[in-house]
Parts: sequence; C-alpha cells; structure tokens
Amino acid sequence: GAGVSQSPRYKVAKRGQDVALRCDPISGHVSLFWYQQALGQGPEFLTYFQNEAQLDKSGLPSDRFFAERPEGSVSTLKIQRTQQEDSAVYLCASSLLWLAVTGELFFGEGSRLTVL
Amino acid sequence: DAKTTQPNSMESNEEEPVHLPCNHSTISGTDYIHWYRQLPSQGPEYVIHGLTSNVNNRMASLAIAEDRKSSTLILHRATLRDAAVYYCILRDVGGSQGNLIFGKGTKLSVKP
Repeated sequence: GAGVSQSPRYKVAKRGQDVALRCDPISGHVSLFWYQQALGQGPEFLTYFQNEAQLDKSGLPSDRFFAERPEGSVSTLKIQRTQQEDSAVYLCASSLLWLAVTGELFFGEGSRLTVL
Repeated sequence: DAKTTQPNSMESNEEEPVHLPCNHSTISGTDYIHWYRQLPSQGPEYVIHGLTSNVNNRMASLAIAEDRKSSTLILHRATLRDAAVYYCILRDVGGSQGNLIFGKGTKLSVKP
C-alpha cells in the first residue's frame, strides 16, 4: 500500500504476556518513529530510527519496551511482561528525510493494545 | 522544542470558517510551526507548516503573527469531516531528529 501500515490493529493481552507490534513504513522512508497514545491524550514519543540505527530511545517508558528495525525498513515494537498501564494506541510514523524538521511525518492508523 | 498553548475545544457550524488559535510565546528563531490533525480512530495527519510568512495549501491556511508568538490555523469552510483534534507543534530546524512533541490539542466539533 501507499501508506504506513501497522499490525495488528487490535491486540488484547493478558497481564504478563509479551506482545509484538509491527510497522511497515512507506517505501524509501529513512526515518521511523514510534509513539504511544493514551486515551484522551496526545501522542507521546517513544523512539526514533534513521534507517536501521536507533538514534533516540529516550521515550521508552521502561526496559520492558524494545524496538528494532534491522534492515532499515520494517520495524517491530516489543513489549515484554505487559502491564495494564501499557494499554494504549501505539502509532508508527515515517518520513522521507533523515532530518525531518520541515517535512511531513506520515502516520499509520495505530495498534490498539488492551492489557487485561 | 518550545511549548504551545491551545484551547481544549472549539465548536463550529458546517460550511463556516474556523480559526484555531495557538500561542507559542517562547518560540525561537529556528522553530517551524506545524499543524497536524487526528480524526477519530486514525493516526495524526499533516495539515500545514510555516516559519514566518502566511501559508496556504489545499487543506487550510496558516496565519503567523508578525512577532511569531502566535499563529492561527484557518479552515475556510468547515465540513463534518473536519471534526478532529488539531495539534499545533513547534519543531526546531536545528534539532537532531525532527520528532514531533504533541500537546493535548484542540478538539474541533462541527455541527451540521
């Protein structure tokens, strides 16, 4: 497809389970971002990749969160031992340029994670 | 990135213009002003951005105050599809990454 694709769209996990969320960015986009959006809040930055390099992971809330982009295209956000506070929509965005301060970020529709 | 202040919510009637304000009194000379919007159950989408001059595109217009301490997103004729949360964001052209720092935005309701 032409846009950023995320899967699964919906995920229900029991507390303590591990989950993996996938992001397929727009082909050729260098930059890739992950955001977390709690209900009623704006998206919050988690981590950023330039190609396969993870340049900033300062927004990851704990060491249970891990993201990778091994070949510089598809990215996976993994959450280990999920907790109820991890329930949120996880948004992926990509950008053509590595320094995207003036360019657009293109967002996927998000993966909604519910932890019971 | 510098902070922005937006009203929590606004209402508009369909087919009327909408002016969404944003205050950014601590903006620096290298900050671009970006607007994104988020429709229900979707990811944010780019609307417009500018630095100093007013900007127009097919979606909206961006009016930037002369001192750059405030800006206004203008939707010329609101439609029901424009009901969304609108985010005003400052991005530093000298920043290292370009990630967006979102606030809570303005929730726009459009009445038929």
